[in-house]
Amino acid sequence: EVVLTQSPATLSLSPGAGATLSCRASQSVRSVTLAWYQQRRGQAPRLLIYATSSRATGVPDRFSGSGSGTDFTLTISGLQPEDSAMYYCQQCDTSSLVTFGGGTSVEIE
Amino acid sequence: QLHLQESGPGLVKPLETLSLTCTVSGDSITTGSHWWGWFRRPPGKGLEWIGNIYFTGTTRYNPSLKSRVTISLDTSKNQFFLRLTSVTAADTAEYYCARRESTNDFFSGYWGYYFDYWGPGSLVTVSS
Repeated sequence: EVVLTQSPATLSLSPGAGATLSCRASQSVRSVTLAWYQQRRGQAPRLLIYATSSRATGVPDRFSGSGSGTDFTLTISGLQPEDSAMYYCQQCDTSSLVTFGGGTSVEIE
Repeated sequence: QLHLQESGPGLVKPLETLSLTCTVSGDSITTGSHWWGWFRRPPGKGLEWIGNIYFTGTTRYNPSLKSRVTISLDTSKNQFFLRLTSVTAADTAEYYCARRESTNDFFSGYWGYYFDYWGPGSLVTVSS
């Protein structure tokens, strides 16, 4: 079973700044199997990125994903107040087992 | 536009069974193009996958919950269901249903899966 470790646990940044969120897998995973979600307080998760770097429909281009093997990154440029949320990476391959990282909380101050 | 909606009791007593329904509109769960899943987020904790179901009734469960979970469906009502037995306070959470989408890497031929549509969530509290 793949274990995903996200860091940092919390990011506190100013509007307009950039954020780099890390997701590390316990073993090498295919890039096509890695996705990122945003969950604002009181809302359902929202798909941001799938297949490591493909933006979901309607996601602003300030969100971008990259990585390979065991190390993956979600980058948010030009942070907006509405970007305050928890961010999760998720992995699922043909085993059909789904794993999430522990999440990174992004606070815009 | 695809819409998912969770429904069910908001309060369940310890050791009883939690039952939730996910009603899907805007897409048929029998098209065979997607799996359908359940998730939860306990207070102060992260997202946890519970399990998935295909229109044939084939299921996949989180190994940590497998002994207590059953996911089923009613194709005539375009609904799928979650049952979690012998609940404790640790099962208190916001529960979500979602649709699983797939994508293929053309060069490697490998498949990846992610969840593109989610219900708004249903808070279930386990308490006597």
